[in-house]
This record gives sequence, C-alpha cells and structure tokens, in this order.
Amino acid sequence: GENVEQHPSTLSVQEGDSAVIKCTYSDSASNYFPWYKQELGKGPQLIIDIRSNVGEKKDQRIAVTLNKTAKHFSLHITETQPEDSAVYFCAATLGVNRLAFGKGNQVVVIP
Amino acid sequence: DGGITQSPKYLFRKEGQNVTLSCEQNLNHDAMYWYRQDPGQGLRLIYYSQIVNDFQKGDIAEGYSVSREKKESFPLTVTSAQKNPTAFYLCASSNSGSGAGELFFGEGSRLTVL
Repeated sequence: GENVEQHPSTLSVQEGDSAVIKCTYSDSASNYFPWYKQELGKGPQLIIDIRSNVGEKKDQRIAVTLNKTAKHFSLHITETQPEDSAVYFCAATLGVNRLAFGKGNQVVVIP
Repeated sequence: DGGITQSPKYLFRKEGQNVTLSCEQNLNHDAMYWYRQDPGQGLRLIYYSQIVNDFQKGDIAEGYSVSREKKESFPLTVTSAQKNPTAFYLCASSNSGSGAGELFFGEGSRLTVL
C-alpha cells in the first residue's frame, strides 16, 4: 500500500465552516508530519507541521493533530475563507532523509 | 529576495529529445530535491542531494539524471529513456538534510512532450 494516504480526495465546504483532512501513514518510525498548501500553478508551501513528541499544534485558524498509536494525523481549518481553496498535501518522514507525500486533497470553499 | 527559481516555466519538446530543467536557490541550503507531480498522484521523488557533488536516487529515478556541482544549482535532465515525461516538475531545497525540515519549493516547470 501507499506510505501516506489522504482522505477525502476532494472536500467542499461552505465559507465559514470547518474543514478536516485526515492522513494515515505506515512507517512507525516516522517522526515529522508537515502539511503543504498548493495554489494553482504554484509550488507547495508549508502551512503547519508537527513532530512526534507533540499531539496537537495550532496556528491561528489551522491546527494539526497527531495520533501515533493509530498512525494518523489530521489538518483542521476553522472559519474557512475563499483563499483557503487549494490542494493540500500531507507528508511523513520515511526512513532517513526522505519525505513521503500523500496524493493531495482538493479543498473548495463555497462563498 | 531569497528563494528557489525554476526555469523554464513551460517547455515543449519532441519525443526522443533530452531536456534540462534548471533549479537555482540562494537560501544557502545544503539539501535539494526534484519531485514530479502528475494529476491525482501527489509528489513523487526523482532525485535528491544532501551536499555538493553527491546525490541519490528517489522513487522514480529511471530516465532522469542530475548533477550537483554547485551548492546553489541542481539541474534535472529528462532523457529520452523516460517513457512518460509529460508532467509538472518541482524543485525544492531544505536546510535540513534529514527530511524533517521545511521544504522550500520553486514554482515548477511544466514539460510537455509532443
């Protein structure tokens, strides 16, 4: 199976509602879990990350939670705005010196 | 301004031709990476380099080659041996060679093989 899996592949939310994207990973040694946002025609940009010794991290309207036992981590976006519409990628460290990326989620915020 | 510059942004080539994509960074990062992005496939690692004059194959290195003669430059050549070269190519750099640090991406190069 894939090293990192993301669900759902597409998510539509009404402006102001919350969006949650979940990722699962397979390598129990993974210790770093970033989330990247990619706008159309551009390269991805880091929006938040979490390390394995922490269960939750927040930065204004975004938060990430990590459950190491279940090997999953989630991105939470509250009070969504049209500029949150983008593709979001999760990733996890894989072995040494590598990041494995999920396939991405298209988030659409409906005004 | 510090950042990563990829060129060209768009490139069209005929089948059987080699193509070289440029990636330059002025962030003083040791580690550099090349990813390929296809619709619905996420980011797949082609090659990476943790230090000048050294590089390693990623998950899909077949049909690609790289060099790392200078810290700031990591060009990718898509050779005629790459069976399906049409894709969006992303270069990234990081000040962490462990994989556990922020990746700074360029804006990408879209290659279309006719």
